[in-house]
Amino acid sequence: AQSVTQLGSHLSVSEGALVLLRCNYSSSVPPYLFWYVQYPNQGLQLLLKYTTGATLVKGINGFEAEFKKSETSFHLTKPSAHMSDAAEYFCAVSGAGGGNKLTFGTGTQLKVEL
Amino acid sequence: DTEVTQTPKHLVMGMTNKKSLKCEQHMGHRAMYWYKQKAKKPPELMFVYSYEKLSINESVPSRFSPECPNSSLLNLHLHALQPEDSALYLCASSTTGSETNEKLFFGSGTQLSVL
Repeated sequence: AQSVTQLGSHLSVSEGALVLLRCNYSSSVPPYLFWYVQYPNQGLQLLLKYTTGATLVKGINGFEAEFKKSETSFHLTKPSAHMSDAAEYFCAVSGAGGGNKLTFGTGTQLKVEL
Repeated sequence: DTEVTQTPKHLVMGMTNKKSLKCEQHMGHRAMYWYKQKAKKPPELMFVYSYEKLSINESVPSRFSPECPNSSLLNLHLHALQPEDSALYLCASSTTGSETNEKLFFGSGTQLSVL
């Protein structure tokens, strides 16, 4: 079975500060990993995904994530937070069982303060 | 057009009512999904249609009945729901549904309240 664990259900940062959202995965097969963002009263939007190849993945809105197999991690970072980044962030994994079946983590609510 | 459109945005229904949620996309995607999201929780997969055929049913109670009339439309028929079914229901689409790395495009959801 595959799963992802997001450390910290809430994160508060100052505007301009580094954003680090943590995600660790468990998978018996090479995983495909995703970060989705959900703004209030909205659906989810894909920020970035890792499939194969380069382990540093760049996404939209200045976010990036690094796949580290040795640490089973796929942490999301952004060098400088903006007020508009305030949202819920979900890490997700797929790869086993066939079909496009995502398993989401429990989410991290990011708050950006002035 | 990169949108998934869901209607209605809000729905309040009694436990004896019958209602339907609708989802539409015009991106040429051949896979469509229903997810259920409770407040402060991650989305949970309910159903997947791939090429208009039901390919995944995550043991969802029969009071939820999906329908895919064509490749652009997805419905979720609701009957005899329980208050614990109150949640945000999200529709999504992807290119085929057969690959495990496909990007999902989500609608904004229908906020359902069952009284």
